[in-house]
Amino acid sequence: GDSVTQMEGPVTLSEEAFLTINCTYTATGYPSLFWYVQYPGEGLQLLLKATKADDKGSNKGFEATYRKETTSFHLEKGSVQVSDSAVYFCALPEYNNNDMRFGAGTRLTVKP
Amino acid sequence: NAGVTQTPKFQVLKTGQSMTLQCAQDMNHEYMSWYRQDPGMGLRLIHYSVGAGITDQGEVPNGYNVSRSTTEDFPLRLLSAAPSQTSVYFCASSYGTGTYNEQFFGPGTRLTVL
Repeated sequence: GDSVTQMEGPVTLSEEAFLTINCTYTATGYPSLFWYVQYPGEGLQLLLKATKADDKGSNKGFEATYRKETTSFHLEKGSVQVSDSAVYFCALPEYNNNDMRFGAGTRLTVKP
Repeated sequence: NAGVTQTPKFQVLKTGQSMTLQCAQDMNHEYMSWYRQDPGMGLRLIHYSVGAGITDQGEVPNGYNVSRSTTEDFPLRLLSAAPSQTSVYFCASSYGTGTYNEQFFGPGTRLTVL
């Protein structure tokens, strides 16, 4: 079945460091790909998405490019802030669009 | 708009007790779903609904029941709570009838079963 695999955390960075969180996927067809973020004590919220190969999703300084050849959707940010501390989930809709497959989540802590 | 609301925020049950987790949305979304979040496992789909009167099972439905009598409400019932159901539960909704659109999540219910 469809699935996503995320790099294991936790990840701890200093403020202004470069962030990469790896995500690879296995899917039937070419689904949209998503990154969701969960801040402490809250539900998940959409961070960015890409709907087709070579699309780049971006939001709040975060970027991810849909790479069909490497089946990847890595999340990057050039300069992280303390307020970026959260858990990040890579996700894709299952082929029948009635389920969303989430990665295990990567906890990011940014220290001042 | 309140978005997706869930009650209660926290709940402690004893093994064998039953309860209902409430979920409501005010965005007129057709698709609603329930997930459980467990450490190291991401979110897993319990049940979903593509419209009032229509529900179906997700990946981990055992021990849970749902109904969808209105577009707004999608309660999740635990029939006889077990310690394995200790988890954080999230309700979500989205426009349209699938997960290819952005899903909006509630704040979650943290359930402990003793």
